[in-house]
Amino acid sequence: TQLLEQSPQFLSIQEGENLTVYCNSSSVFSSLQWYRQEPGEGPVLLVTVVTGGEVKKLKRLTFQFGDARKDSSLHITAAQPGDTGLYLCAGAGVGNEKLTFGTGTRLTIIP
Amino acid sequence: NAGVTQTPKFQVLKTGQSMTLQCAQDMNHEYMSWYRQDPGMGLRLIHYSVGAGITDQGEVPNGYNVSRSTTEDFPLRLLSAAPSQTSVYFCASRWALSSYEQYFGPGTRLTVT
Repeated sequence: TQLLEQSPQFLSIQEGENLTVYCNSSSVFSSLQWYRQEPGEGPVLLVTVVTGGEVKKLKRLTFQFGDARKDSSLHITAAQPGDTGLYLCAGAGVGNEKLTFGTGTRLTIIP
Repeated sequence: NAGVTQTPKFQVLKTGQSMTLQCAQDMNHEYMSWYRQDPGMGLRLIHYSVGAGITDQGEVPNGYNVSRSTTEDFPLRLLSAAPSQTSVYFCASRWALSSYEQYFGPGTRLTVT
């Protein structure tokens, strides 16, 4: 079973600060996704990274896939209250497209 | 397009009761799946289907049955509910097993007493 560990589990910061959350595994993934989930709703896909070392930017969010395709990070610049939510990473194993989800990082941005 | 829809939104069952959680998508997606979400455990795959008439087990299939008679619908059945099945259930779909973009429904919060 492939495991994805996310850290930190909880993060509460002031509006305007920067933050990074991490997604780590001992397994290699063919692709890795990041989702954001708000209370009472299903996860919404933010980005998919597929190449080792790949960096993708989505406005103030920067996603990076590790060179060895075992880990990923999400960096948010100048956090806003609208960034509040549960952030989930999910990896697809090599040769197995079923997704394994991480345990999530619950982010709270304080106005 | 409605995307992925799930009913009911909330449900309370007594131990031993049965019920079906409904899931439908209108995007003509081949791949559909069911997950459960529990605190501190992320989303775990229960069952999935790569097309009408084809289903397979995920990580935590025990106590759940599925069928896929049409492309649009993928119901999840609990034959004899147990307190351990108290969870939030999400249905998801994507174009194919190999495609990346996955869409989730709004979830069903199930409590088994």
